Amino acid sequence: KAGVTQTPRYLIKTRGQQVTLSCSPISGHRSVSWYQQTPGQGLQFLFEYFSETQRNKGNFPGRFSGRQFSNSRSEMNVSTLELGDSALYLCASGYNQETQYFGPGTRLLVL
Amino acid sequence: QKEVEQDPGPLSVPEGAIVSLNCTYSNSAFQYFMWYRQYSRKGPELLMYTYSSGNKEDGRFTAQVDKSSKYISLFIRDSQPSDSATYLCAMKMYSGGGADGLTFGKGTHLIIQP
Repeated sequence: KAGVTQTPRYLIKTRGQQVTLSCSPISGHRSVSWYQQTPGQGLQFLFEYFSETQRNKGNFPGRFSGRQFSNSRSEMNVSTLELGDSALYLCASGYNQETQYFGPGTRLLVL
Repeated sequence: QKEVEQDPGPLSVPEGAIVSLNCTYSNSAFQYFMWYRQYSRKGPELLMYTYSSGNKEDGRFTAQVDKSSKYISLFIRDSQPSDSATYLCAMKMYSGGGADGLTFGKGTHLIIQP
């Protein structure tokens, strides 16, 4: 099976802009989670979608949002970008959260 | 106090040695425990997943969970230079009607010297 794919792989934006990241899960996986990884905070949970519904959300401001489509593909959006949003954004898919498989990530740089 | 504590290392050991990686946690609600390996500039790769206290073995890897002490370990036997990576512990609890996301340790940077 093909792994989790994320696009784009690299992105440079300026403060105040918005960005949309895309994730295609492994075929058959209905759970898609998003994580932010930074050197200071490590990996932090953003949200999880299951069958197009947000099932859980981490402690991030409302500028971070996401959605899942009927084919399980997911997007996350960050509005009004801040310098601190520079990070590796990881998408993970699975049949459940105990066995999540991560994609390669999208590296976002906010200038 | 952070929920999950993990020594960042680096931990440097000679090839062939047994490696011991550990995490401690504070919240007894954590029920599921995983170990991920992350190579530089890659996404984390699931190595081991366990629910109950005790040991689980998979090839050269053994995961150990002690819920009474809130302590988990990953042992790597016959370590190879290709095992050099950052190892992240992760854990999950159930709350209410849904499932929380994974809570990760900061990761231990492991170096296997040829």
